[in-house]
Amino acid sequence: DQQVKQNSPSLSVQEGRISILNCDYTNSMFDYFLWYKKYPAEGPTFLISISSIKDKNEDGRFTVFLNKSAKHLSLHIVPSQPGDSAVYFCAAYGGGSQGNLIFGKGTKLSVKP
Amino acid sequence: EAQVTQNPRYLITVTGKKLTVTCSQNMNHEYMSWYRQDPGLGLRQIYYSMNVEVTDKGDVPEGYKVSRKEKRNFPLILESPSPNQTSLYFCASSPLPYNEQFFGPGTRLTVL
Repeated sequence: DQQVKQNSPSLSVQEGRISILNCDYTNSMFDYFLWYKKYPAEGPTFLISISSIKDKNEDGRFTVFLNKSAKHLSLHIVPSQPGDSAVYFCAAYGGGSQGNLIFGKGTKLSVKP
Repeated sequence: EAQVTQNPRYLITVTGKKLTVTCSQNMNHEYMSWYRQDPGLGLRQIYYSMNVEVTDKGDVPEGYKVSRKEKRNFPLILESPSPNQTSLYFCASSPLPYNEQFFGPGTRLTVL
């Protein structure tokens, strides 16, 4: 049973427009969420995170929104650039003494010039 | 340079032949973890370690062993590899689990 779901395997966006990547989770005990970006043949790199006590976190062109009641978070990239083309993973931390980090299956973003 | 290193980067082996993939970090991080990436399945955590001598199972621990005898090293051991362990493996480290994790470059393992 997937606890972290990224229901869109792929997304295509025009350069300069907004990219919105979505993530849903089932476990209300998750208290920290992270987004990672992955290029082919490289390890994932951290992008942005959000604690469950917040509903928004912003870092440059990247903003993550958290809706706890809907168990939903989204990553907004504005404006999108061709270099943003990559696979984006949403991840959730179980909280408490657990060190288990659970990833979604990823969304492949293509930003077209 | 702060980094996580993995060796080997590529490995082709046969069923049943024990192997070890090494992982080392130079950032003095407490937390280390192993993941495997498979097409359509994303990243799945195999094992993690909150600190030296403290390890715990992730989502897919079957067929794997780990040890954390020193802070910087976290080797992944496959005692008897099988073809379903053919995958891309990543090691990662961070100060704490919910901090930014630094990933190694990956080890592509093929078990024939």
